[in-house]
Amino acid sequence: RKEVEQDPGPFNVPEGATVAFNCTYSNSASQSFFWYRQDCRKEPKLLMSVYSSGNEDGRFTAQLNRASQYISLLIRDSKLSDSATYLCVVFNQAGTALIFGKGTTLSVSS
Amino acid sequence: GAVVSQHPSRVICKSGTSVKIECRSLDFQATTMFWYRQFPKQSLMLMATSNEGSKATYEQGVEKDKFLINHASLTLSTLTVTSAHPEDSSFYICSAVRQGGGAQYFGPGTRLLVL
Repeated sequence: RKEVEQDPGPFNVPEGATVAFNCTYSNSASQSFFWYRQDCRKEPKLLMSVYSSGNEDGRFTAQLNRASQYISLLIRDSKLSDSATYLCVVFNQAGTALIFGKGTTLSVSS
Repeated sequence: GAVVSQHPSRVICKSGTSVKIECRSLDFQATTMFWYRQFPKQSLMLMATSNEGSKATYEQGVEKDKFLINHASLTLSTLTVTSAHPEDSSFYICSAVRQGGGAQYFGPGTRLLVL
C-alpha cells in the first residue's frame, strides 16, 4: 500500500459547485496531516492543516478519520481560482519530513 | 511570512556537468532543510534531510555521492547534482523548517534540464 493515496482525478466542475477529495494513508502512527495546493510549475503551498476534530477555513473543510486512515477536503462554491492540484500530505514515519500524495487536479470552469 | 528562495530557478546543462542549487531561508533560521524532487505528473519525493552542521540523511534509493548536500549555515543549504544525466532532469524543491519547529516553507523550485 502506498504511503499516501489520493483520488486519481481530474475533477472538472463548474463555478459554484461543491467538490470533495479523498486521501488514505498507510502509517497508522501518523500524527500530522495537511492539504497543500500546487499550481502548475510552482512549488506547493500550505492550504490547511487537518485536525482530528475537523476544521474549516472559509469555503474549505478538512476532515480526518483515524480509524479508516482517511482524510478529506471539501471545497464549496468553487471559484475559477481554485483550479490547481491538491496534495494530501502526511508526516513520514519518523515524523521528520512530509510525504506527498500524487495530487488530484481540479479544473473549475465558467 | 517566512520566505525561502532557490537559485537558479531554471538551468539547462549538458550531460556530464555538475549543477549546484542553492536554498536560502531569507527571514528565519532553519536548522533543517529538505530536498524534494518531482517528475512530471508525479508526487514530490523526498530525497534527503539536511541538518545544519551535520551530514545529510538520504532516502532509500537516492545516491549520496551523486546528490551532494551541504548545509553550512542556518540559512543556506546546497544540492549539487554531480555528473548530471538526462534522467536527472526534474523539478527540485527545497523546504525549510524554522528553528524551534513549525511548518515547512517551500522554495519556488529549480527546473533542471539535462541535454
